Amino acid sequence: SQTIHQWPATLVQPVGSPLSLECTVEGTSNPNLYWYRQAAGRGLQLLFYSVGIGQISSEVPQNLSASRPQDRQFILSSKKLLLSDSGFYLCACPNTGPEPLHFGNGTRLTVT
Amino acid sequence: GENVEQHPSTLSVQEGDSAVIKCTYSDSASNYFPWYKQELGKGPQLIIDIRSNVGEKKDQRIAVTLNKTAKHFSLHITETQPEDSAVYFCAASIREYGNKLVFGAGTILRVKS
Repeated sequence: SQTIHQWPATLVQPVGSPLSLECTVEGTSNPNLYWYRQAAGRGLQLLFYSVGIGQISSEVPQNLSASRPQDRQFILSSKKLLLSDSGFYLCACPNTGPEPLHFGNGTRLTVT
Repeated sequence: GENVEQHPSTLSVQEGDSAVIKCTYSDSASNYFPWYKQELGKGPQLIIDIRSNVGEKKDQRIAVTLNKTAKHFSLHITETQPEDSAVYFCAASIREYGNKLVFGAGTILRVKS
């Protein structure tokens, strides 16, 4: 089974500062990887997914980008944070096969 | 694309009572429907899922029903306990597209003891 590590757990950043959130996965190789965002009091929105190294698909236009430099590493970045980037960011991957999807414990980002 | 609506947004029940959360989906091609439970400060945890070739699935106090014709599915929790208090999310996806889940907005369940 897969184990998902996300850090940091919480982060407070000023508007205009850069962002880098990291997700690493232990388990089977070449997993599909996903970044979701959860705004306060709302459901989860898919931001990016990756089916392999260097392969990133963006689901919504936004101020963020993602990269997958290694098989089990997925990074969410921004060059300049906006207030609207605040939220709970979750990395996910399937346990085995295409489903079910399992989530890490997330990073709570507050942009001030 | 797929759109998932979830009701109610909040639900309060007395300990021991049943709780029901309902979701509707828009894309008839969706064929995988998981339910997640999220506790404060944690990522969502899968509690049960159902595929479109099945109408009902049970796991102890939790059950999910699916009506493909009406495009809705429901989570049923019986004999609720205080530890069932959490936010519950339904989701839908088309398996051929992997795990691109579309989530409902969530239901805050409070079980009063």
